[in-house]
Amino acid sequence: AQTVTQSQPEMSVQEAETVTLSCTYDTSESDYYLFWYKQPPSRQMILVIRQEAYKQQNATENRFSVNFQKAAKSFSLKISDSQLGDAAMYFCAYRSANTGNQFYFGTGTSLTVIP
Amino acid sequence: DGGITQSPKYLFRKEGQNVTLSCEQNLNHDAMYWYRQDPGQGLRLIYYSQIVNDFQKGDIAEGYSVSREKKESFPLTVTSAQKNPTAFYLCASRFSGPRQPQHFGDGTRLSIL
Repeated sequence: AQTVTQSQPEMSVQEAETVTLSCTYDTSESDYYLFWYKQPPSRQMILVIRQEAYKQQNATENRFSVNFQKAAKSFSLKISDSQLGDAAMYFCAYRSANTGNQFYFGTGTSLTVIP
Repeated sequence: DGGITQSPKYLFRKEGQNVTLSCEQNLNHDAMYWYRQDPGQGLRLIYYSQIVNDFQKGDIAEGYSVSREKKESFPLTVTSAQKNPTAFYLCASRFSGPRQPQHFGDGTRLSIL
């Protein structure tokens, strides 16, 4: 099984500031997909952003962007201009492009946004 | 509106009782998944199904069973063999295709009476 590690159980950021959440993964494969999901207090998981491993360009979605370092097996999420609504658990997930349909999730980072 | 519906939102189980969690989707998704979420442990895969009448065990399938008789439905039964069933259960679905993400329901919280 693949391993996805989120080493920051909790993070906090001042409103309007920028925060970066870390994620590393362990794989021997070269083709895969990476995802960040957000789980607000309502508990519904929402897709934030995804990255294809074959793409060198980092994915961006409005205020959310990633720093994908394939050689280092690192996939961090940057949230710019943080808003109160960004407060949530954030999960990093990995999926192989070739073997099976399983997604592997990290243990999550709880983000607090300070007004 | 298209989406994934999990019911009930809260469920209580007595000792020795089997309970079934419902998951229905009207997104025409091919694959469906069940996850268990415990504090500090992220999401762990229980079962998944890529097509009707076929499903595979995930990492923690013991004490659980599923069926996939219709494309839209993927119910999860928590059997009495599952000794620690108290958790938050999430159902997800997705289209086939490697880059397709999972979409999630709102979850069911199961507790022991």
